[in-house]
Amino acid sequence: AQSVAQPEDQVNVAEGNPLTVKCTYSVSGNPYLFWYVQYPNRGLQFLLKYITGDNLVKGSYGFEAEFNKSQTSFHLKKPSALVSDSALYFCAVRDRTGGFKTIFGAGTRLFVKA
Amino acid sequence: ETGVTQTPRHLVMGMTNKKSLKCEQHLGHNAMYWYKQSAKKPLELMFVYSLEERVENNSVPSRFSPECPNSSHLFLHLHTLQPEDSALYLCASSQVAGQDSNQPQHFGDGTRLSIL
Repeated sequence: AQSVAQPEDQVNVAEGNPLTVKCTYSVSGNPYLFWYVQYPNRGLQFLLKYITGDNLVKGSYGFEAEFNKSQTSFHLKKPSALVSDSALYFCAVRDRTGGFKTIFGAGTRLFVKA
Repeated sequence: ETGVTQTPRHLVMGMTNKKSLKCEQHLGHNAMYWYKQSAKKPLELMFVYSLEERVENNSVPSRFSPECPNSSHLFLHLHTLQPEDSALYLCASSQVAGQDSNQPQHFGDGTRLSIL
C-alpha cells in the first residue's frame, strides 16, 4: 500500500539553528514529492517539490529538501530557523501514474524557540 | 480576488440540519478537491473533480454530497451528519494534464465544522 511517514509528531529547535523535518515514503515508481506548510487557522501552502534531477530542491522561505532514492526519503531542511517558521509541515507524494490522488503524511509540528 | 476562497469559515450545525460548504477558485485550474482534516490524522481525500467530472470518490458516506457546477466552483452538501464529522474541511485546486501532474495544489483556509 502507498504511504507517507513523518516519524516525528513534533520537532523543537532554537532560533538560528538548522532544522530538519523527516519524511519517508512507500510509493511505486518515481513519485512526485511535495512539502506543504500550514499556519494556524489557514490552509496548506506549497513550499517545494521534487520532480527529477538534482536531489537538493530549493523552495520558499529559505527551505530546501533532499531527495534520497535509495532510502525513499525527502527530508525538509533549513540552515537557520526563524520563530516565524513555527507551523505544521506536511510531506506529500503523488504517483506519476496513479491518477489524481496525493497522499499526505500526518504532519510534523515545528516549534522554533527564540 | 485571487486564490481559493472557502465559505463559511466556521459552521455549527445539528445532526438533522442541511447545510452546504462553498469553494471558489480564481486560478484558472481545472481540478478541484475536498479534503477532511482531523486532529493528528493525515489529510483524507474525499472527492476530486477534473473538468467538472468526478474522478475520485474515496468511500465517503452518502451524507456528504459534492457538486461541481463549473471549473471555478465546488460545493459540499451536508445532511444528517454525525459528531465524528466535526473537522476542518479543506478545498484545493490544481492544474492537471490528464492523470499526470506535478503541479502543487492550492488550498483554501477551510471551513471549521462542528456537529452538535
